[in-house]
Amino acid sequence: GNSVTQMEGPVTLSEEAFLTINCTYTATGYPSLFWYVQYPGEGLQLLLKATKADDKGSNKGFEATYRKETTSFHLEKGSVQVSDSAVYFCALRSRSGGSNYKLTFGKGTLLTVNP
Amino acid sequence: EAQVTQNPRYLITVTGKKLTVTCSQNMNHEYMSWYRQDPGLGLRQIYYSMNVEVTDKGDVPEGYKVSRKEKRNFPLILESPSPNQTSLYFCASSTSNRDNQPQHFGDGTRLSIL
Repeated sequence: GNSVTQMEGPVTLSEEAFLTINCTYTATGYPSLFWYVQYPGEGLQLLLKATKADDKGSNKGFEATYRKETTSFHLEKGSVQVSDSAVYFCALRSRSGGSNYKLTFGKGTLLTVNP
Repeated sequence: EAQVTQNPRYLITVTGKKLTVTCSQNMNHEYMSWYRQDPGLGLRQIYYSMNVEVTDKGDVPEGYKVSRKEKRNFPLILESPSPNQTSLYFCASSTSNRDNQPQHFGDGTRLSIL
């Protein structure tokens, strides 16, 4: 079956530090890949996506590149801000039994950015 | 504003007392889904619907029911809630049942079953 593995948290950084959150996946076929962000007390918001190999998704200074050869989709940001403190979820969407294209999530990584 | 709306946001109730969590989207999306989020387990799909009157089980459907009588609404029903259904629940929708379509999430419903 499909699965997503992302680095365990929590991750604590100082403002302006470089961020990497690792994500690898296992899937049949060619999934689309997503990063979602969950701010405290809120729902999940789509941060970025990539739908085919070598695509780069980007938004709000975050980037991730779909690497088919390493089955990875690592999230990066060059300079984090306090406002980036949140839980980050890596996810894939692919056919999963029958005809359901469901989202499969990693367990989430809590990021805390200190001033 | 395009959104997925869930109600209630918080609910504390007792074992066995039937409850319904409503979900409504205003984007004319075909695909809707319910997830539960538990610490250390991430999000798991409960039920999904590909269109009106078309619903099916996800990974953890036991103890839940859903219906899709109208395109915009997808309520989650707990007929006889139990403490192991204490969780954070999210409704989501997307344009269609395709791999390249992101799902849009509601703000969540935190249920506590005593």
